[in-house]
Amino acid sequence: EPEVTQTPSHQVTQMGQEVILRCVPISNHLYFYWYRQILGQKVEFLVSFYNNEISEKSEIFDDQFSVERPDGSNFTLKIRSTKLEDSAMYFCASSWASGGASDTQYFGPGTRLTVL
Amino acid sequence: AQKITQTQPGMFVQEKEAVTLDCTYDTSDPSYGLFWYKQPSSGEMIFLIYQGSYDQQNATEGRYSLNFQKARKSANLVISASQLGDSAMYFCAMREGLGTGFQKLVFGTGTRLLVSP
Repeated sequence: EPEVTQTPSHQVTQMGQEVILRCVPISNHLYFYWYRQILGQKVEFLVSFYNNEISEKSEIFDDQFSVERPDGSNFTLKIRSTKLEDSAMYFCASSWASGGASDTQYFGPGTRLTVL
Repeated sequence: AQKITQTQPGMFVQEKEAVTLDCTYDTSDPSYGLFWYKQPSSGEMIFLIYQGSYDQQNATEGRYSLNFQKARKSANLVISASQLGDSAMYFCAMREGLGTGFQKLVFGTGTRLLVSP
């Protein structure tokens, strides 16, 4: 069964460093998303991406964040200068469409980011 | 105002029994979708079931069913014949404006389910 994959599973970085989180969405999906979950809290939307551009973003997704689809399979989230409060689990998700039952978003296993 | 409210931080159920996890939502959009996800201790988010606001029947997927009461704005998840592997965190989520291009899911705070032998 197709699935979303994410690498690395755990990333430890120093405050101020840049990190790139990688995702391979399900191959025939067209919409891609990043969410984050701070430990013990609910899952929060960061950004959605379609047709090589951001279609929606949250207030959390400020200038420190960027997303890219560098090739036909990968989808990346870059945090330019990490802060302590960026420590969280980051989930990538993908969906085939954006309306009705077919818009179910399938999540990857997550990358746990720890900023020291 | 909270868009998605899950009032049960924790629930306990015995193996083979049924359990209902509550979810209420708040939206003025007539077109929306409701989702339930399971998050085991390993951390991944597993899609369980979907209900569209215009769906006439309650959604079912195997042992999972969604008790959708539109007038009360509730979308409770019912797990029948609980198994030990059902022990996990369960999140209710909503997406508004289906078909408009807005895609974000809004999640509740989750309910931790513990199934005992």
